[in-house]
Amino acid sequence: GAGVSQSPRYKVAKRGQDVALRCDPISGHVSLFWYQQALGQGPEFLTYFQNEAQLDKSGLPSDRFFAERPEGSVSTLKIQRTQQEDSAVYLCASSLAATTNEKLFFGSGTQLSVL
Amino acid sequence: GENVEQHPSTLSVQEGDSAVIKCTYSDSASNYFPWYKQELGKGPQLIIDIRSNVGEKKDQRIAVTLNKTAKHFSLHITETQPEDSAVYFCAAPSISGNTPLVFGKGTRLSVIA
Repeated sequence: GAGVSQSPRYKVAKRGQDVALRCDPISGHVSLFWYQQALGQGPEFLTYFQNEAQLDKSGLPSDRFFAERPEGSVSTLKIQRTQQEDSAVYLCASSLAATTNEKLFFGSGTQLSVL
Repeated sequence: GENVEQHPSTLSVQEGDSAVIKCTYSDSASNYFPWYKQELGKGPQLIIDIRSNVGEKKDQRIAVTLNKTAKHFSLHITETQPEDSAVYFCAAPSISGNTPLVFGKGTRLSVIA
């Protein structure tokens, strides 16, 4: 497709379960970002990849959060031992250039609900 | 780090009227200021952006103005239409220059037909 694709669209997890969220960026886009969006709030930065290199993970809230982009294309955000406070929409964005803030294209997100 | 504040949080206008949303930022070294529009169930979409060496930028019914001295920038939408109804977010780099964006909390705009 032409845009950023995220799956699953919705995920319900029991507290303590592990989850994996997938992002397919726009083909050829160098930069990939993960953001977390709580209800009624703006997106908050989690982590940033330039190709396969994770250059910034300063926004990851705890060591339960892990992201990878092994071949510089598809990325996975993994959350271990989910907690209720992890409930949010997880947004993936990509951009063509090797910059960290310009012209981001966002996917529709994965809405995670932890019960 | 950067602090971005956005207001109002909600805004209702009559169709055809103008809408203005304002944001302030804290880092004087910030040099790039985008605005994103988010419709229900979708991700944010870039609608306009401005660099710090420009005071104003316009794209059809949408314009952004920047006051570097006061550290604030505004989104102006003229001749509003019902399809402009959405949540709008401003953003600025988190420290300075080429660093991840910090988003405002958003403004829910409702255009009443």
